[in-house]
Amino acid sequence: SQTIHQWPATLVQPVGSPLSLECTVEGTSNPNLYWYRQAAGRGLQLLFYSVGIGQISSEVPQNLSASRPQDRQFILSSKKLLLSDSGFYLCAWSNRETQYFGPGTRLLVL
Amino acid sequence: AQSVTQPDIHITVSEGASLELRCNYSYGATPYLFWYVQSPGQGLQLLLKYFSGDTLVQGIKGFEAEFKRSQSSFNLRKPSVHWSDAAEYFCAGESNTGNQFYFGTGTSLTVIP
Repeated sequence: SQTIHQWPATLVQPVGSPLSLECTVEGTSNPNLYWYRQAAGRGLQLLFYSVGIGQISSEVPQNLSASRPQDRQFILSSKKLLLSDSGFYLCAWSNRETQYFGPGTRLLVL
Repeated sequence: AQSVTQPDIHITVSEGASLELRCNYSYGATPYLFWYVQSPGQGLQLLLKYFSGDTLVQGIKGFEAEFKRSQSSFNLRKPSVHWSDAAEYFCAGESNTGNQFYFGTGTSLTVIP
């Protein structure tokens, strides 16, 4: 069966610090991978998606970036966090029938 | 542009009452449509999905949704709401290319005794 891991589960970071959130998928190969952010009162926002290693598409210009160094690994990064980066970050993969979501990372930028 | 809209930010219903959550989509062709539920402090769970065929789709936890092409809608319904249904509900659509999912902004459901 397929499993999706995200870590850390919770993160508190100061403004201006870097960020690295990791997502890994098990039990499938060559999945489409996604990063979403859910901010209070704003629903789910698609940040990045990837159809293969090294292939990243950005939906929303911002100070975040994503990388896919391996087929089942998807990383969300920032060089300098902003207060507005606080939120709930969800990684997901899809097999073109539905999306499967990870447990999420709650990020609080102070 | 492709999009999914949930016009209701927050809905309150009494336990045992019926529920309908609205979802409208804007796509060039008939999209794949989904409803997800997010309980407090938890991730997302798929309730049901529509790809083609029968326009009335049955899901888990007693939910159903009806695809209406003429209204560009995919509303979620439940005949009798339980207190445990209190959660955030997201409607989502898949793009024509199959590479992107678009989510609505969510509807927060409160269930009162």
